[in-house]
Amino acid sequence: TQLLEQSPQFLSIQEGENLTVYCNSSSVFSSLQWYRQEPGEGPVLLVTVVTGGEVKKLKRLTFQFGDARKDSSLHITAAQPGDTGLYLCAGAYGNKLVFGAGTILRVKS
Amino acid sequence: NAGVTQTPKFRILKIGQSMTLQCTQDMNHNYMYWYRQDPGMGLKLIYYSVGAGITDKGEVPNGYNVSRSTTEDFPLRLELAAPSQTSVYFCASRRQGGQPQHFGDGTRLSIL
Repeated sequence: TQLLEQSPQFLSIQEGENLTVYCNSSSVFSSLQWYRQEPGEGPVLLVTVVTGGEVKKLKRLTFQFGDARKDSSLHITAAQPGDTGLYLCAGAYGNKLVFGAGTILRVKS
Repeated sequence: NAGVTQTPKFRILKIGQSMTLQCTQDMNHNYMYWYRQDPGMGLKLIYYSVGAGITDKGEVPNGYNVSRSTTEDFPLRLELAAPSQTSVYFCASRRQGGQPQHFGDGTRLSIL
């Protein structure tokens, strides 16, 4: 059974601070996706990383896929209140995704 | 483009009742999925389908059934509702080739 452990579960920071969310597994995934979810809505894809060691940037967000394709991280620089939400990592295997438990991020102004 | 549409948005059921959660997508995606999301637990896969007429169990299929008679629709059926099925249910779809999943806005189901 593929499992993804996501940490931390909850993060409350001040505007302007940096943060990193981690996603770890003992399983190898063909790709890893990061989603953001707001209350009352479904998850929305932020990025997909496919190659071991890959780094992708999306404005102030930096995503990294581990060399062995078992782990990933999301780093946010100078967090803004608009970054508040639930961040989910999801590993792809076969036709399915396995999701981490999510990180609730609250950015206070 | 509507994307993935789920109905109803909210529902309260009594224990033992049955209901069908509807999901339809207008993107001609082959792959469709049903998840449940419980607080602090992420999304758990209930059932999925790789095309019309083909369905398969996910991680937590007990107490649910699905059918896929058309490419567009993927309804989820609860036959005998139990309090443990109180959750938020999400439907998603995607194209072939490792493309990301597109999610609906969810159905919030309470069983009392």
